[in-house]
Amino acid sequence: DQQVKQNSPSLSVQEGRISILNCDYTNSMFDYFLWYKKYPAEGPTFLISISSIKDKNEDGRFTVFLNKSAKHLSLHIVPSQPGDSAVYFCAAHRGNQFYFGTGTSLTVIP
Amino acid sequence: NAGVMQNPRHLVRRRGQEARLRCSPMKGHSHVYWYRQLPEEGLKFMVYLQKENIIDESGMPKERFSAEFPKEGPSILRIQQVVRGDSAAYFCASSPPNSLYTDTQYFGPGTRLTVL
Repeated sequence: DQQVKQNSPSLSVQEGRISILNCDYTNSMFDYFLWYKKYPAEGPTFLISISSIKDKNEDGRFTVFLNKSAKHLSLHIVPSQPGDSAVYFCAAHRGNQFYFGTGTSLTVIP
Repeated sequence: NAGVMQNPRHLVRRRGQEARLRCSPMKGHSHVYWYRQLPEEGLKFMVYLQKENIIDESGMPKERFSAEFPKEGPSILRIQQVVRGDSAAYFCASSPPNSLYTDTQYFGPGTRLTVL
């Protein structure tokens, strides 16, 4: 049972424009959410997180939005850069476990 | 400060053999998580360990899989009598004690297991 879903397997964006990556979840008991970035042949790298009691968290070019009523979160990257090209995973935490989505492959076109 | 180390990076086994995957957490980290990523899927939680203790193994298959994190040495994920369906990338992550947010969860580069 996939509790965290990323329905877009891939996304292409022009350099300088905004990238919006989406994530949906089913369990209202998750207490925080995270985004990870992954390059080929490397492990995921933490990007940004948000507590379930907040609706927005910003860190430089990266902003995460949380809509609890819709059980939806999104990651905005602006402006997008070619170095942002990677696979992005959203994850949710509850108890001792982290639940990951299947990832969205972002390509930023120069 | 070295990051999370995993070895081997690639492991090939024939069906029925044993696979041992090692994870050395970052210095000062006493919590280790193991994840499995099957092709075209996300990371799936397998087990959460602290030194000498298994805290949560609810994501581990009931048979053939075991994990340990001894007082000294790396954490080991052991798969006995491997089958083709065990072929996947296995990632380890570590975090320090008392971390509240997993922005302190650091991942290793993974071990890619191929079962022939």
